[in-house]
Amino acid sequence: AQKITQTQPGMFVQEKEAVTLDCTYDTSDPSYGLFWYKQPSSGEMIFLIYQGSYDQQNATEGRYSLNFQKARKSANLVISASQLGDSAMYFCAMREGHTGGFKTIFGAGTRLFVKA
Amino acid sequence: NAGVTQTPKFQVLKTGQSMTLQCAQDMNHNSMYWYRQDPGMGLRLIYYSASEGTTDKGEVPNGYNVSRLNKREFSLRLESAAPSQTSVYFCASSGGQLSEHEQYFGPGTRLTVT
Repeated sequence: AQKITQTQPGMFVQEKEAVTLDCTYDTSDPSYGLFWYKQPSSGEMIFLIYQGSYDQQNATEGRYSLNFQKARKSANLVISASQLGDSAMYFCAMREGHTGGFKTIFGAGTRLFVKA
Repeated sequence: NAGVTQTPKFQVLKTGQSMTLQCAQDMNHNSMYWYRQDPGMGLRLIYYSASEGTTDKGEVPNGYNVSRLNKREFSLRLESAAPSQTSVYFCASSGGQLSEHEQYFGPGTRLTVT
C-alpha cells in the first residue's frame, strides 16, 4: 500500500536561510510521481514541484528543489533563501502511475515558520 | 480563466441531511478528484475520476457518492450527513497539455455537520 511520511510537524528557519522538509514514501509500483504543495493560512493548495520516479535529475523550480533519493525512498523539499511568505503548511504527496488520473495520497504535513 | 470552482464555500447541515458539492474546471483536464482535509491533517482522497465516464474509490469513500457529469463537472454527494463528515472538501483536476502532473485545486468547501 502507498504511504507518505512527514516526520517534522513543525520547523523554524531564519529568513534568508535554507531549510529542508523531509518526506519518505513507500510504494511497490516502479512508476510513481512525487509532489510538494504549499498551503498558506488562507487555505488554498499551491503546487510547488514534481518529481517522476524515472527522472534522472532532481527537480527544481525557482527557490524550490526536490532532493530525490530513490534507494532511500525519500523526496525532501529544499527551500533556499527563505522568505516570510514561505510560512505555511507543506504537504508531500505521491501518485502511483506516471500519467493521468491515479490515486494520490498526501502526508500529514509540516508547518514551516520563517523568522525575521 | 476561472480554473477550478467549487460551490458552496460554506455549508452547515444537520445529521441525516443530504447535499451535493459541485465542482467544475475549465482547463479541459481529463482527471478530477475529491479530497477532504480534517483539522491538522493532510488531504485524503475520497473519489477520483481518471476520465469522463469513470469513477474510482480513494482512501475514504464511505458515506459519499460521486458523479462525473461531463468532462468539466464532478460532483460529490453526501446522502445522510454525519458529524464525522465535518471537514474542508477540496476538488482538484489534472491532465492538461501544459502540465499533466500538477493538480489544480479549488478553493475548498467548509462543511459542518451538527
